[in-house]
Amino acid sequence: QKEVEQDPGPLSVPEGAIVSLNCTYSNSAFQYFMWYRQYSRKGPELLMYTYSSGNKEDGRFTAQVDKSSKYISLFIRDSQPSDSATYLCAIFMNRDDKIIFGKGTRLHILP
Amino acid sequence: NAGVMQNPRHLVRRRGQEARLRCSPMKGHSHVYWYRQLPEEGLKFMVYLQKENIIDESGMPKERFSAEFPKEGPSILRIQQVVRGDSAAYFCASSLTSGRNLKNEQFFGPGTRLTVL
Repeated sequence: QKEVEQDPGPLSVPEGAIVSLNCTYSNSAFQYFMWYRQYSRKGPELLMYTYSSGNKEDGRFTAQVDKSSKYISLFIRDSQPSDSATYLCAIFMNRDDKIIFGKGTRLHILP
Repeated sequence: NAGVMQNPRHLVRRRGQEARLRCSPMKGHSHVYWYRQLPEEGLKFMVYLQKENIIDESGMPKERFSAEFPKEGPSILRIQQVVRGDSAAYFCASSLTSGRNLKNEQFFGPGTRLTVL
């Protein structure tokens, strides 16, 4: 079983729609849950991270973690064409230095 | 304030040649990480270095791959005798202090795309 599972998409939604991106993970010891955004031919950039279960909001973005079901989500409200990118979920343990990434979901926001 | 710099951005090698990928961390950062992104795959951790020390190389292939981060100059990821399966995007990240505290964010460079013919 892979440590982080993520549907690669692509996912196409119309501008203004709410986008839901999801990942599952296998190891209950993971502590930090992150979302990265990667534009084509660029390096990933950290969007948000959460520690433990619950929600975290930043502007149009909401990250959600459900540790009981090992499920992490990213919601994008009022999606814009500029949100078109690959979104990578990632997990991190405090005792390690490596980040474990999902495969990424390619998102297209249609104008 | 320049971000993480990687060069070259694109590198083409024939099978059996050597590939050298360079990474200059952000100013003031002394921790460097290398990741590999294969087509249709996520980023995979390869190695974590501090100045002159390899801290964690658990993601490095056992043969042909090596990494260094000298006291002066960029970090180098070296791939000897490249094979077609080495074709991938290689990303470098740097952090101010140890990544063991996620508040010390890893900042990624733009990557080097290696193509092996």
